[in-house]
Amino acid sequence: DAGVTQSPTHLIKTRGQHVTLRCSPISGHKSVSWYQQVLGQGPQFIFQYYEKEERGRGNFPDRFSARQFPNYSSELNVNALLLGDSALYLCASSRPGQGAREQYFGPGTRLTVT
Amino acid sequence: DAKTTQPPSMDCAEGRAANLPCNHSTISGNEYVYWYRQIHSQGPQYIIHGLKNNETNEMASLIITEDRKSSTLILPHATLRDTAVYYCIVGAGGTSYGKLTFGQGTILTVHP
Repeated sequence: DAGVTQSPTHLIKTRGQHVTLRCSPISGHKSVSWYQQVLGQGPQFIFQYYEKEERGRGNFPDRFSARQFPNYSSELNVNALLLGDSALYLCASSRPGQGAREQYFGPGTRLTVT
Repeated sequence: DAKTTQPPSMDCAEGRAANLPCNHSTISGNEYVYWYRQIHSQGPQYIIHGLKNNETNEMASLIITEDRKSSTLILPHATLRDTAVYYCIVGAGGTSYGKLTFGQGTILTVHP
């Protein structure tokens, strides 16, 4: 079975620009979570979606938004990029009927803001 | 979610058991202990989780003390590929919502 896939793999943007990151969960998984990992730190929770509804939000500004589509794929959008948004953005999925904390992560999108 | 404390780093010889400790003294009755690891430049990988009983799967064993205030992840025969950052995370086991709160983790280095 294919794992969680994310696109693009790498991205370079300029301050003030907007970015959209995409995630496809493992087939049959209905929950998708997004995390930000700054170099040298553990991942930080941004959002969780389950059945297309937002179920949780971390301590991130409103510049960060996300949505989940009927096929359970998800997008993370970040507006007005800052240098501090440079990080590895991770997507994770989990399957219904199983603990939502048993999550399977994709390889991430490396975002560099210059 | 309860806070966890892990040693910042540990070493282990290849082929030996790696025992990674975690303290979670404020864990509540409905909270599980989860272990993840992150190999350099990859996404975190789920290893195992448990509530109160010891658990074992193809990757590792999880030993939880009777008072549930600490646990140990055991990799029975460590290999060089097990070199990674290991995260111990505590949280309730909901089925529709459950964020993972990662700390600094333990950097495990397996030596030849």
